[in-house]
Amino acid sequence: DVVMTQSPLPLPVTLGQPASISCRSSQSLVHSDGNTYLSWFQQRPGQSPRRLIYQVSNRDSGVPDRFSGSGSGTDFTLKISRVEADDVGVYYCMQGTHWPLYTFGQGTKLEIK
Amino acid sequence: QEQLVESGGGVVQPGRSLRLSCLASGFHFSNYAMHWVRQAPGKGLEWVAVIYYDGNKKYYPDSVKGRFTISRDNSKNTLYLQMNSLRDEDTAVYYCAKDGSLWGQGILVTVSS
Repeated sequence: DVVMTQSPLPLPVTLGQPASISCRSSQSLVHSDGNTYLSWFQQRPGQSPRRLIYQVSNRDSGVPDRFSGSGSGTDFTLKISRVEADDVGVYYCMQGTHWPLYTFGQGTKLEIK
Repeated sequence: QEQLVESGGGVVQPGRSLRLSCLASGFHFSNYAMHWVRQAPGKGLEWVAVIYYDGNKKYYPDSVKGRFTISRDNSKNTLYLQMNSLRDEDTAVYYCAKDGSLWGQGILVTVSS
């Protein structure tokens, strides 16, 4: 099975400062069709998860451009250019390449210092 | 507007069964694979099951294989999760999801004697 490892797990950030979350997979996430099915989700307190990024770097509709995704192969990063209070929550990476067995990372809890 | 609404949760004794439902609206339900994902209290996300758009293929992780069954009724725009031989560790909020881009509000299942 593919294991997804995120770091850091707690992420304290000052308002207005950037934040970065790393996600590493135990196997390459490049699919045989050439695409890389790595997504990022945000889960605010008490809410359902919401997808922010799909296929490494594509923002979902309505997601602020402060959020960006990058990476390839086994190493991926979610960046927030300027953290706002509304960004507090837990962030998960998820691989969909090794369909049908999806795997999530452990989650990174973003909090305001 | 696209929407997923889960129902059928509650408190159940270990070893008993429960069936969850997820009513979809606002999109062509029969065109999409659908998923169940769960989240134990204070824990991360765990993918539980996926069913192809036509219901012909279904997949599960080892943690629920042989106990849980995913199904769908495309004429009713409804996804199901039949959970048998429930264990304490199945206690979680269960979400239905479409492609990761759309999630329900979640439904709590508590397994307790």
